[in-house]
Amino acid sequence: AQKITQTQPGMFVQEKEAVTLDCTYDTSDQSYGLFWYKQPSSGEMIFLIYQGSYDEQNATEGRYSLNFQKARKSANLVISASQLGDSAMYFCAMTLFKTIFGAGTRLFVKA
Amino acid sequence: NAGVTQTPKFQVLKTGQSMTLQCAQDMNHEYMSWYRQDPGMGLRLIHYSVGAGITDQGEVPNGYNVSRSTTEDFPLRLLSAAPSQTSVYFCASSYGGNSYEQYFGPGTRLTVT
Repeated sequence: AQKITQTQPGMFVQEKEAVTLDCTYDTSDQSYGLFWYKQPSSGEMIFLIYQGSYDEQNATEGRYSLNFQKARKSANLVISASQLGDSAMYFCAMTLFKTIFGAGTRLFVKA
Repeated sequence: NAGVTQTPKFQVLKTGQSMTLQCAQDMNHEYMSWYRQDPGMGLRLIHYSVGAGITDQGEVPNGYNVSRSTTEDFPLRLLSAAPSQTSVYFCASSYGGNSYEQYFGPGTRLTVT
């Protein structure tokens, strides 16, 4: 069965600093996709970054990078140079035909 | 493209009433899903579809029915509403396979009294 775990309910980071949001997953399948989404207070879901299970390089999208450690089944999101607009809920998700989400981490960026 | 649309945006039901949440997408996506999000929590998968005529249960399917007669539409039916179904409901679609992100609708906020 698929499972996604995000163990940090809330995180604080100083503006302009980097922050890592943790995500571990569980599956016995070899082919799957890992995603991160952002949900601001307005409620919409915004896709941030994708990592395929067979990708050997960590994915990067602008200030977002995904630290993928397949043997440890972790897919942590790194946000560099945090901005006030990064304050939001962040969800890790795994797609194996269907997509399931973790419980999320609320990030607070302090000025 | 309108993307993924959901109607209604808000709905109040009495316990025992039934209703259908509508979801449509105009991107010719094969995969469509319904999620519920309770306050301060993540998204839980209710039902999903990998193509017209094919649906399957997700993590929390009880009390909900779906059908997928066309590629574009994926309605979610609440059979007999209960206060525990008070939530925000999101519909999402994707091209299919494991490497494509989901496109989300704006959500429907449902309150059951």
